[in-house]
Amino acid sequence: EVQLLESGGGLVQPGGSLRLSCAASGFTFSSFAMSWVRQAPGKGLEWVSGISGNGAGTYYADSVKGRFTISRDNSKNTLDLQMNSLRAEDTAVYYCARRGPETYWYFDVWGRGTLVTVSS
Amino acid sequence: DIQMTQSASSVSASVGDRVTITCRASQGISSLLAWYQQKPGKAPKLLIYTASSLQSGVPSRFSGSASGTDFTLTISSLQPEDFATYYCQQANSFPLTFGPGTKVDIK
Repeated sequence: EVQLLESGGGLVQPGGSLRLSCAASGFTFSSFAMSWVRQAPGKGLEWVSGISGNGAGTYYADSVKGRFTISRDNSKNTLDLQMNSLRAEDTAVYYCARRGPETYWYFDVWGRGTLVTVSS
Repeated sequence: DIQMTQSASSVSASVGDRVTITCRASQGISSLLAWYQQKPGKAPKLLIYTASSLQSGVPSRFSGSASGTDFTLTISSLQPEDFATYYCQQANSFPLTFGPGTKVDIK
């Protein structure tokens, strides 16, 4: 079964750091680009970051550029998001998502999400 | 950045109704548009990609179409499990952007 499982969320103070992880299973992880998408409480979806299958290409939303870093370890089938200088507006459920098998950036598999709360 | 708008924030409908949800891109995106369904407390689910391609396992009552920068998701006969929020997303260029969502609720 194709599965994505996020971890690492929690409560962090403004200015703090947090590292999210996503464990993939049931498919050839290195063959698929991946992304993080977030959803603030009661709000819509916001794409955060993406990474190519081999990790050579990384992409970021302007709202997180310079603060967040996406990475992957294809030997461990894991996707990470290092979040620094966190702000209250980063509070959201963070979803790990797999890009579809074509080269277009839509998402065919999603994890359940992990909640990040930035508050003092 | 490409802005995505959805014509209605909510739609009230009854079981068996035909429901149409529209999405507009601020500039041309070819047919690089996806539709997702999201239920409360759950992750989004891909329904349609490249504007009109039905994702595997999605019921055929869902369909998508495109006309220029306007895109439509149609549910031909609304079922109880279809009450949810629907989002469009452009896949043409970074940053990827979603529409604000359209909630389909019970009339």
